[in-house]
Amino acid sequence: DAGVTQSPTHLIKTRGQHVTLRCSPISGHKSVSWYQQVLGQGPQFIFQYYEKEERGRGNFPDRFSARQFPNYSSELNVNALLLGDSALYLCASSYGQGGTGELFFGEGSRLTVL
Amino acid sequence: RKEVEQDPGPFNVPEGATVAFNCTYSNSASQSFFWYRQDCRKEPKLLMSVYSSGNEDGRFTAQLNRASQYISLLIRDSKLSDSATYLCVLQSGGSYIPTFGRGTSLIVHP
Repeated sequence: DAGVTQSPTHLIKTRGQHVTLRCSPISGHKSVSWYQQVLGQGPQFIFQYYEKEERGRGNFPDRFSARQFPNYSSELNVNALLLGDSALYLCASSYGQGGTGELFFGEGSRLTVL
Repeated sequence: RKEVEQDPGPFNVPEGATVAFNCTYSNSASQSFFWYRQDCRKEPKLLMSVYSSGNEDGRFTAQLNRASQYISLLIRDSKLSDSATYLCVLQSGGSYIPTFGRGTSLIVHP
């Protein structure tokens, strides 16, 4: 069975550009969450979506936005990129809304902003 | 005070050693606790949930101390393959937002 898939795996952008990251959850999982992980730190929560509705938002600026589609896949958009947005962006899926459920992570999208 | 604190390490131990990590948390409303393992440049994967009564899975033992607000992970008979970063994760009741610690790096050497 396919796990969580993310694309692209690596990308390089310049300051001020926009980026879209994509995530397909495990089949049957209805919840998708996004995380930013910078080197040496744990993942920081950005968004969670369940049944196409936003259920949680972390402490990130409005330049970050996301959505979930009817097939439960998701996109993370970041506008006006800053150097500090360089990080590994992880997507995780889970069956329920979160709570005590296990999070299954994709391999991530590694973004470099120059 | 950070919501979740972990000693980043690295903890350098020989094969066969017993090693323990702690993770302290500040939000007393935290209800769900987990340990995730993250290999270098890979995604995190669930190692084990942490139950109030403590739980064991082979060489790994997790414990929760609500009074002192910390969780612990004990690894016995360390293997080279245990080398990784161990992330502490917690969730508060009714919240969909998991909070990750920065992780503790473990290096097991021959």
